[in-house]
Amino acid sequence: KAGVTQTPRYLIKTRGQQVTLSCSPISGHRSVSWYQQTPGQGLQFLFEYFSETQRNKGNFPGRFSGRQFSNSRSEMNVSTLELGDSALYLCASSLEGISYEQYFGPGTRLTVT
Amino acid sequence: KQEVTQIPAALSVPEGENLVLNCSFTDSAIYNLQWFRQDPGKGLTSLLLIQSSQREQTSGRLNASLDKSSGRSTLYIAASQPGDSATYLCAPDAYNAGKSTFGDGTTLTVKP
Repeated sequence: KAGVTQTPRYLIKTRGQQVTLSCSPISGHRSVSWYQQTPGQGLQFLFEYFSETQRNKGNFPGRFSGRQFSNSRSEMNVSTLELGDSALYLCASSLEGISYEQYFGPGTRLTVT
Repeated sequence: KQEVTQIPAALSVPEGENLVLNCSFTDSAIYNLQWFRQDPGKGLTSLLLIQSSQREQTSGRLNASLDKSSGRSTLYIAASQPGDSATYLCAPDAYNAGKSTFGDGTTLTVKP
């Protein structure tokens, strides 16, 4: 069974631009969660989508948004990029949410200059 | 709010040693607790998941225990190898949080 895939793997953007990251979960998984990882803050939860609906949200500004499609693939968008948005963005899929085992993708490394 | 602490932050051992990594959490109302490893610049690899009703789980040289009442979990690695060098993270999933909360991890170095 294929694992979680994320595209692109690396991205360089300029302050003020916007970016869209993509995550394809394991086949049959309906829950996708997004996390931001930085050296200073560790792994922080952004949001979780289940059956095309945002079910949980972390403490991030409205510049961070996401969506999930009917095939469970998910996208995350960051608008008006700031230098502090430079991070490794990880998505995780699970069958139905946090009470199930989570499987992570390789991440997208975003650098904002 | 769930808070997760992992001790020690870093650990360096010679190859072949048995070792224990510790994880403590403040909210014991959890569905489960998952242990991951992360290699530098990479995603997280799931190692073990312990359901809240379980006391321990084993996979090969790894054994994880859970004491929900005291808010503690340990990851025991037997006969460590250089390939075990990585950062190990624990993540309890609390009912009230609706999400996994991660510790800062323990960075393990196993020297040949």
